[in-house]
Amino acid sequence: SQQGEEDPQALSIQEGENATMNCSYKTSINNLQWYRQNSGRGLVHLILIRSNEREKHSGRLRVTLDTSKKSSSLLITASRAADTASYFCATGTSYGKLTFGQGTILTVHP
Amino acid sequence: AAGVIQSPRHLIKEKRETATLKCYPIPRHDTVYWYQQGPGQDPQFLISFYEKMQSDKGSIPDRFSAQQFSDYHSELNMSSLELGDSALYFCASSLTQGLTKNIQYFGAGTRLSVL
Repeated sequence: SQQGEEDPQALSIQEGENATMNCSYKTSINNLQWYRQNSGRGLVHLILIRSNEREKHSGRLRVTLDTSKKSSSLLITASRAADTASYFCATGTSYGKLTFGQGTILTVHP
Repeated sequence: AAGVIQSPRHLIKEKRETATLKCYPIPRHDTVYWYQQGPGQDPQFLISFYEKMQSDKGSIPDRFSAQQFSDYHSELNMSSLELGDSALYFCASSLTQGLTKNIQYFGAGTRLSVL
């Protein structure tokens, strides 16, 4: 990826546990978004956090953004087997194009 | 609700052939994006259009071109195909105004295989 790293690259947990994924980026951003991708399928938007926001919640998802450290984290609480997917962070500019991180492969075991 | 429609879903071509991928954005969305995702890779931005004008360009080879038509659908044309062009190609659309601005809605993608 040209933008940064996601950590961890792969995460394996049991149902009911929480999953935390981290993302770092290099340039100034307008917003940071998290997307989910099931194997070989399209990307589904999960949540967007703007550069002037520090934390955002949506259902079982919690996203934080630290612009001083150029990092973000995605927390999925009470994970389910259906959460198994690849998760990508993507930074957006005011012009709109997204620059994706390398992604975290999350496996949730029933 | 209508989503982004891409066609075809799968495409098999020989080296040096030409391919055309089509994208129909969500109605009333003003921006269309194209991304390429190689096997095991993250999506890479290729090109975007705002109100039918090219608005940004990424790592798109000279062999590729794209345009957006008066009905807002977009086409990605790929010529002199190479084995390395085998990938998933995604189209996304978004609004530049409103509550959902900057959120990109992706199509299911076109899987291109170059043999």
